[in-house]
Amino acid sequence: DAGITQSPRYKITETGRQVTLMCHQTWSHSYMFWYRQDLGHGLRLIYYSAAADITDKGEVPDGYVVSRSKTENFPLTLESATRSQTSVYFCASSESWGTGYGYTFGSGTRLTVV
Amino acid sequence: RKEVEQDPGPFNVPEGATVAFNCTYSNSASQSFFWYRQDCRKEPKLLMSVYSSGNEDGRFTAQLNRASQYISLLIRDSKLSDSATYLCVVNSGGYQKVTFGIGTKLQVIP
Repeated sequence: DAGITQSPRYKITETGRQVTLMCHQTWSHSYMFWYRQDLGHGLRLIYYSAAADITDKGEVPDGYVVSRSKTENFPLTLESATRSQTSVYFCASSESWGTGYGYTFGSGTRLTVV
Repeated sequence: RKEVEQDPGPFNVPEGATVAFNCTYSNSASQSFFWYRQDCRKEPKLLMSVYSSGNEDGRFTAQLNRASQYISLLIRDSKLSDSATYLCVVNSGGYQKVTFGIGTKLQVIP
């Protein structure tokens, strides 16, 4: 089915390990985003991408790395996981620029760092 | 002051009641505004856009007050299925300036 899928849905990892969260969309949307959601905070932008091979930092990029070699994939890597990175991570895509309208979110990855 | 502020609630209302939420924003240059709905342990989904002239979709009405810098969401004849968290989203220009509020939790009680 067309849509945006994230994997894994749940992940438990140890401090210091590298973790990659996957995001795949089938609409060929140009724009893709990674957000994290924590209690007491709204969704916060980690990284975004305007097209393949074009990425930029958001509000909270430290400790994360992204790549986008293909339009449909936008993986997020935690280079050395820390407990403060325990969160729910949402990937989103959009076909338009500069607006909150039309964001479609994946179902999220619940990451726990122990 | 936070860029976008919402009362986290919860708002507990009986079925059939009318309930309203406000969301204030600090940047007077903000350009576009939205309400998203998020069910428990699910992803956010767009509920409606907010226009200066107001926007109505069935039982839902969204309004923008630029002078006082807030947006509102009114839900009439509340249903049990309306129970969710409602996120306010404000765009001040560019993807880095899209700000999500923490959300207001609504619980509709039978």
